[in-house]
Amino acid sequence: RKEVEQDPGPFNVPEGATVAFNCTYSNSASQSFFWYRQDCRKEPKLLMSVYSSGNEDGRFTAQLNRASQYISLLIRDSKLSDSATYLCVVNWYAGNNRKLIWGLGTSLAVNP
Amino acid sequence: NAGVMQNPRHLVRRRGQEARLRCSPMKGHSHVYWYRQLPEEGLKFMVYLQKENIIDESGMPKERFSAEFPKEGPSILRIQQVVRGDSAAYFCASSPLSGRTDTQYFGPGTRLTVL
Repeated sequence: RKEVEQDPGPFNVPEGATVAFNCTYSNSASQSFFWYRQDCRKEPKLLMSVYSSGNEDGRFTAQLNRASQYISLLIRDSKLSDSATYLCVVNWYAGNNRKLIWGLGTSLAVNP
Repeated sequence: NAGVMQNPRHLVRRRGQEARLRCSPMKGHSHVYWYRQLPEEGLKFMVYLQKENIIDESGMPKERFSAEFPKEGPSILRIQQVVRGDSAAYFCASSPLSGRTDTQYFGPGTRLTVL
């Protein structure tokens, strides 16, 4: 089983739609979680951190389910500019060693 | 506050030549990560460095690749005797020393083309 798994998509949705991505992780000692966004041929950019209580930033909501070991990203009222690849990142610490594991990304295409 | 800087942005090499990629982290950041992204593929971790130390190089190919982050100056990813399969985008990211935040800030990448 991969350490971090994402559905690669692509997700094709119309403008205004609500879309949700899930990301599962295998290491129960994982301690912090992030969603990044990557546009074609550009560098990844931090979208949001994911907190245990869940967090919201405008149209974006991130949630963490430790029991089932997954995080999710919900995008409401999709815009054309949301088209990108969304990367899930999981971090765990073991003493001074910390490891960041990146998912391969979920591709989203928002259509007019 | 300047972001993470990488140069060159584009690098063309012939097979067998050496490629040197440079990364200057954000001011105040002492952790540097290198990633490789092959065309149409995901981001693959290569190496994690702090100043003068390699912390985790589990993603580095065993041969031809090396990385350093000296006390002064940028981090360098060096690829010796490049082959066509090394053609990829190489991204550098940095994160701050203080706290245990792991937010990574990425540079614009270096696109290596091996002819």
